[in-house]
Amino acid sequence: SQTIHQWPATLVQPVGSPLSLECTVEGTSNPNLYWYRQAAGRGLQLLFYSVGIGQISSEVPQNLSASRPQDRQFILSSKKLLLSDSGFYLCAWSVQATDTQYFGPGTRLTVL
Amino acid sequence: QKEVEQDPGPLSVPEGAIVSLNCTYSNSAFQYFMWYRQYSRKGPELLMYTYSSGNKEDGRFTAQVDKSSKYISLFIRDSQPSDSATYLCAMSVANYGGSQGNLIFGKGTKLSVKP
Repeated sequence: SQTIHQWPATLVQPVGSPLSLECTVEGTSNPNLYWYRQAAGRGLQLLFYSVGIGQISSEVPQNLSASRPQDRQFILSSKKLLLSDSGFYLCAWSVQATDTQYFGPGTRLTVL
Repeated sequence: QKEVEQDPGPLSVPEGAIVSLNCTYSNSAFQYFMWYRQYSRKGPELLMYTYSSGNKEDGRFTAQVDKSSKYISLFIRDSQPSDSATYLCAMSVANYGGSQGNLIFGKGTKLSVKP
């Protein structure tokens, strides 16, 4: 069966510090991968998606970036965090050519 | 008009009640409809998945799609305190050939089932 992992589970970082969140998927090959941010009362915001290694599409302009160095690894990064980057970050995957997405446990990021 | 509208609630019901959760949408091209359940501080989990119009039942849960009205519903029978969570609807157009298949999510309805 497929599983999706995210780490760390929680993170508290000062403004201006770098960020690296990691997501890995097991049990499937060539998945579509997604990064979302969920802020209180604002729903899920799609940040990035990837249909293959090295292929990243950005949905919103921001100081975050994403990379996919391996087929089942998706990384969310920032060089300098802003207060507004606080939120619950979710990674998700889907099978190619279908639309159902499966979510990881999430990382709760607090920027102080 | 937003693509997907969902009443944020909160919705509070007594244990055993029938719960109705709803979403409306504006894009008539949507073909796939999903309901996710999200417990506090957890990732959303897929609850129900339907294609096009009609009903789908799974235990105490029934998903209903009315494409003519652009309206989807999730019914929970004999609601339990363990059903207390935020419920998100999601939908997408049919996307094949390796495209990303992006979902459009509602903002979620927070449900509380009181014992």
